[in-house]
Amino acid sequence: KQEVTQIPAALSVPEGENLVLNCSFTDSAIYNLQWFRQDPGKGLTSLLLIQSSQREQTSGRLNASLDKSSGRSTLYIAASQPGDSATYLCAVKLSNFNKFYFGSGTKLNVKP
Amino acid sequence: DTEVTQTPKHLVMGMTNKKSLKCEQHMGHRAMYWYKQKAKKPPELMFVYSYEKLSINESVPSRFSPECPNSSLLNLHLHALQPEDSALYLCASSQDITTYTRDHYEQYFGPGTRLTVT
Repeated sequence: KQEVTQIPAALSVPEGENLVLNCSFTDSAIYNLQWFRQDPGKGLTSLLLIQSSQREQTSGRLNASLDKSSGRSTLYIAASQPGDSATYLCAVKLSNFNKFYFGSGTKLNVKP
Repeated sequence: DTEVTQTPKHLVMGMTNKKSLKCEQHMGHRAMYWYKQKAKKPPELMFVYSYEKLSINESVPSRFSPECPNSSLLNLHLHALQPEDSALYLCASSQDITTYTRDHYEQYFGPGTRLTVT
């Protein structure tokens, strides 16, 4: 069974700081990995999707990398803003099954 | 349009009630999902429909009954729920692999239905 871990569980940084969120998974036979943000009591918003054949994806101030062989992905947020405060979740899809395994998330607080 | 809609936003029901949650998408996605999310926990997969057929049931109790009447609509029928079933219920959709597009299997989530069972 695929295990997905996110470290740290919570992170508090001052505005303007660059930061890295980590996601690790145990089964490297993944199809893709997706990063989401979730605001309290709301649904999930897709941030970036990386296919298994890709090494990284970028969208604005966000950059996600994938290293399948080591079972790791990172989400880099540049020049953080208070509006970035949310819980960030990663989810991996295995190649053989139409289901997604979620990490437990990193709760980010960006202080003005 | 990359929107998944869910109704109602909030639902309070007694343990003897029957109610339904509704999810709709118009992105042409052929895979649809129900997730349950408890506070401060990640979403837990409940059901997956692929081409209107149930493909995954994660051993969900029979008091939850999914239905996919057509490719755009997904329902979750609720009956005789327990207080511990109170949670945020999320619907998601994605393209199926046979479309072979760049973003296939990218999941799009709805805003969720906050369910309280009294």
